[in-house]
Amino acid sequence: KAGVTQTPRYLIKTRGQQVTLSCSPISGHRSVSWYQQTPGQGLQFLFEYFSETQRNKGNFPGRFSGRQFSNSRSEMNVSTLELGDSALYLCASSSIPGTSSNSYNEQFFGPGTRLTVL
Amino acid sequence: QKEVEQNSGPLSVPEGAIASLNCTYSDRVSQSFFWYRQYSGKSPELIMSIYSNGDKEDGRFTAQLNKASQYVSLLIRDSQPSDSATYLCAVNRDNYGQNFVFGPGTRLSVLP
Repeated sequence: KAGVTQTPRYLIKTRGQQVTLSCSPISGHRSVSWYQQTPGQGLQFLFEYFSETQRNKGNFPGRFSGRQFSNSRSEMNVSTLELGDSALYLCASSSIPGTSSNSYNEQFFGPGTRLTVL
Repeated sequence: QKEVEQNSGPLSVPEGAIASLNCTYSDRVSQSFFWYRQYSGKSPELIMSIYSNGDKEDGRFTAQLNKASQYVSLLIRDSQPSDSATYLCAVNRDNYGQNFVFGPGTRLSVLP
């Protein structure tokens, strides 16, 4: 099975711009979560999408948004970029509970998108 | 108090020794717990998941969970230099979806 894929892998933007990142989950996985990882704050949860609906949300400003499509692919958008948005953005997918007794809630990460804001 | 805390590193152990990584969490309602390994410049890789009190073994790895003490640990037996990485403890606050909180990580160095 192919793993989680994310595009692009690297991005350089300037302050004030907006950016869209894409994530394709593992085939059959319907839950997609997004995370921001920085050296100072570690790995922080942004939001989770399941069946095209945002099911959980972390403590990030409204500049961070996302969506999920009917094929479970997801995008996240960051508007009005700030220098502090420079980070590794990770996407993780998981199967829905009940599909396998040993894989409940397990999340598998993609390679990430490294965003640099200048 | 942070939601998920881990023993501060870096932790250095000689090759062949047992590495012990600890994690405590604050949200008593959490039901699922995970250990991830992250190599420098790479994304986190799932090592173990544990949902019930007690021990769970997978090869050289053993996860231990004590919900009463809100404590999760990971033991790595016969540590190898290739185990050198940052280990992240994660707790899912949502029993039906995904709302993970990660600890800050413990960097492990296994010395040949």
